[in-house]
Amino acid sequence: GAVVSQHPSWVICKSGTSVKIECRSLDFQATTMFWYRQFPKQSLMLMATSNEGSKATYEQGVEKDKFLINHASLTLSTLTVTSAHPEDSSFYICSARDRRNDEQFFGPGTRLTVL
Amino acid sequence: AQSVTQLDSQVPVFEEAPVELRCNYSSSVSVYLFWYVQYPNQGLQLLLKYLSGSTLVKGINGFEAEFNKSQTSFHLRKPSVHISDTAEYFCAVTPNQAGTALIFGKGTTLSVSS
Repeated sequence: GAVVSQHPSWVICKSGTSVKIECRSLDFQATTMFWYRQFPKQSLMLMATSNEGSKATYEQGVEKDKFLINHASLTLSTLTVTSAHPEDSSFYICSARDRRNDEQFFGPGTRLTVL
Repeated sequence: AQSVTQLDSQVPVFEEAPVELRCNYSSSVSVYLFWYVQYPNQGLQLLLKYLSGSTLVKGINGFEAEFNKSQTSFHLRKPSVHISDTAEYFCAVTPNQAGTALIFGKGTTLSVSS
């Protein structure tokens, strides 16, 4: 089946620094990728929708200047958490929609801890 | 807009007992429905999905779900659970149109004990 990878799987950073998370579709092309955030013992909340070659669409309440999304190719989207703070600590999960059949596949997630 | 309600936040059961995890959705348009499982500190794994056709959908690990349009429900069932089924289960919905994200319910924690 289709595979989506995320890198890194786990990252610890100091408050004020920026962290980049990569989401790659390994064996298919994804015109659309989605970024979700999951707090402990809670559900996944959609942060933004990323379309290849265009600006991301952010959900209400998500700061676009803080969570920078770049979808430079049909297989790669990146999420950069700028000037991270402890409250940004969370599990970030991406998903990619296969352009061939519109199915959506999830990455394994990235655990971000901001000290 | 779509929404998903998982009626039970926690479901404790004994091993080999049957289980049903409830999911109701709200939508003004036709939708696709999904169940995902998440083990601790891991990503999501698709259990099953309903796109069209037969309302009874069979998935992996012995799970099945039935789409009931009149009751706007998509309950997940397994006739006999194992300890290894202990995990978080998420019901999700998306409009049946290209390019839309999944909307998730709050999740149900299934705890299987011996």
